[in-house]
Amino acid sequence: GNSVTQMEGPVTLSEEAFLTINCTYTATGYPSLFWYVQYPGEGLQLLLKATKADDKGSNKGFEATYRKETTSFHLEKGSVQVSDSAVYFCALSDGDDKIIFGKGTRLHILP
Amino acid sequence: NAGVTQTPKFRVLKTGQSMTLLCAQDMNHEYMYWYRQDPGMGLRLIHYSVGEGTTAKGEVPDGYNVSRLKKQNFLLGLESAAPSQTSVYFCASMGDSYGYTFGSGTRLTVV
Repeated sequence: GNSVTQMEGPVTLSEEAFLTINCTYTATGYPSLFWYVQYPGEGLQLLLKATKADDKGSNKGFEATYRKETTSFHLEKGSVQVSDSAVYFCALSDGDDKIIFGKGTRLHILP
Repeated sequence: NAGVTQTPKFRVLKTGQSMTLLCAQDMNHEYMYWYRQDPGMGLRLIHYSVGEGTTAKGEVPDGYNVSRLKKQNFLLGLESAAPSQTSVYFCASMGDSYGYTFGSGTRLTVV
């Protein structure tokens, strides 16, 4: 079945450091891929998405490229801020009526 | 503001008590979902609905019931609460485009 695997956290970085959170997926078809972010005490918010191979999703300085050859959708940001501290979820949808989520990666940014 | 509204935000139940969580969306979305979020487990799908009058089981449906009598509302019921149901519950909806809109969550403690 379809699944999403993302790197376990927590990830701790200093402000202005480069961020990568790895995500790989298993799917039978051509899924759409997502990154969601959850700030403390809140629900999940869609951060970015990509719907086909080689698409790059971007938002708020974050980027992720849909790599079909490596079945990956790694999240990157060039210079993180304290306000980026949150839990990040990688997810996929294969056109079915549900989205499948990874277990989440907690990110701590130190000032 | 348009979105997904969950009530209540917090609740403490005694073992064996019953309660209903309400999810309301004003975006005319067809699909609605109930998830629970536990530490280290990510998001697990409890039940979902693909339209008014429909419901389907997700990954962890036992101990929960749902109803979708109106398109905008999706109710999650616990008939006899157990400590294992202590969790944060999130409702989400999805329309024509990919991606969920989440509510802000209900934190439930069963003692």
